[in-house]
Amino acid sequence: AQSVTQLGSHVSVSEGALVLLRCNYSSSVPPYLFWYVQYPNQGLQLLLKYTTGATLVKGINGFEAEFKKSETSFHLTKPSAHMSDAAEYFCAAKANTPLVFGKGTRLSVIA
Amino acid sequence: GAGVSQTPSNKVTEKGKYVELRCDPISGHTALYWYRQSLGQGPEFLIYFQGTGAADDSGLPNDRFFAVRPEGSVSTLKIQRTERGDSAVYLCASSLEGGAHPLSGELFFGEGSRLTVL
Repeated sequence: AQSVTQLGSHVSVSEGALVLLRCNYSSSVPPYLFWYVQYPNQGLQLLLKYTTGATLVKGINGFEAEFKKSETSFHLTKPSAHMSDAAEYFCAAKANTPLVFGKGTRLSVIA
Repeated sequence: GAGVSQTPSNKVTEKGKYVELRCDPISGHTALYWYRQSLGQGPEFLIYFQGTGAADDSGLPNDRFFAVRPEGSVSTLKIQRTERGDSAVYLCASSLEGGAHPLSGELFFGEGSRLTVL
């Protein structure tokens, strides 16, 4: 069975600082990998996804993630945090099953 | 519609009551998913429809939970004899692709129905 682990339930960064949200997966077959964002009182929105091909994927709002098979990781980064990035972020994986989510990481951005 | 619509947005009920939660997917999307999100947790898979049939209901916690999609569009999640542990946000999502190996697997989520069982 596949699983997704997000390290850190809460991450706090200063405005303009690097954002790094960690995600590791466990799967018996190569999965498709996703990052979703959930703003307060809104539905989940896809940030980016990895299916095949280039391992560095770019998403919306300046976010990107790199698939590292050897580390079974798919960490999310953004060079410079903005106040509007404050939200809950979910990593998810799909391999022969419906989408499996991690527990989420809440990102706070301090002015 | 423009997005996935879920009603009601909030539902408060008493233990033992029956509830129905409705999901109206994006027009033309063949696949429909139900997830449950408890406080402090990520969404947990409940059931997945491809067209009118339930392709995978392995996430339903017990036989008090049931879902239908009779015409391959709108879906209703039904919970009988509700318990306090059923309190959560129930999320619906739809996608163009379906099956175990979708090309992209992008799910479009609604805002959820928050269920509170007193």
